[in-house]
Amino acid sequence: GESVGLHLPTLSVQEGDNSIINCAYSNSASDYFIWYKQESGKGPQFIIDIRSNMDKRQGQRVTVLLNKTVKHLSLQIAATQPGDSAVYFCAEKHTGNQFYFGTGTSLTVIP
Amino acid sequence: ETGVTQTPRHLVMGMTNKKSLKCEQHLGHNAMYWYKQSAKKPLELMFVYSLEERVENNSVPSRFSPECPNSSHLFLHLHTLQPEDSALYLCASSLGNTGQPQHFGDGTRLSIL
Repeated sequence: GESVGLHLPTLSVQEGDNSIINCAYSNSASDYFIWYKQESGKGPQFIIDIRSNMDKRQGQRVTVLLNKTVKHLSLQIAATQPGDSAVYFCAEKHTGNQFYFGTGTSLTVIP
Repeated sequence: ETGVTQTPRHLVMGMTNKKSLKCEQHLGHNAMYWYKQSAKKPLELMFVYSLEERVENNSVPSRFSPECPNSSHLFLHLHTLQPEDSALYLCASSLGNTGQPQHFGDGTRLSIL
């Protein structure tokens, strides 16, 4: 069945360090992936996306890596800041219109 | 301003009440979605509207009734809800409904007494 999961439910990093958040998916037909950030009391906020014909995409301080061989997605945040503290979750889409979401990793940035 | 506005932000209702959640998007999108977010669970897709027509209905109980009068507005009508329906209800929109990022509102926190 569908499985979009995260390796760790919580992650603590020192301010200024790089953060890596991981996501595993099980459907090899998935062709589009999104990372979202959700702060307390707010809705999910789009961070970055990647399509299955790519293996890396960079944004401002964020990089998404896609490894289709092992069905693994990661989000790297450079120079993590206190404002990066939030829950991060991945979403995958395969054929059809439905996205499957992970349960999220809670990132805490230690000043 | 997220571009997707949900009201009310918080709602407490009894099991016999009838209420409606409202969502409005200002992004020019043509697809809108309702999700349920419960603690420690993945987002659950409830309904999808594309060009004001319902295209997905994920076996949601009939006590939840969506309405999409135009591409900018989406409602979720609630009646005779159960305590397990307490959750955060999120609205999202996208440009098209295949392979485009969804933009979310901040949700309505619903508590059923």
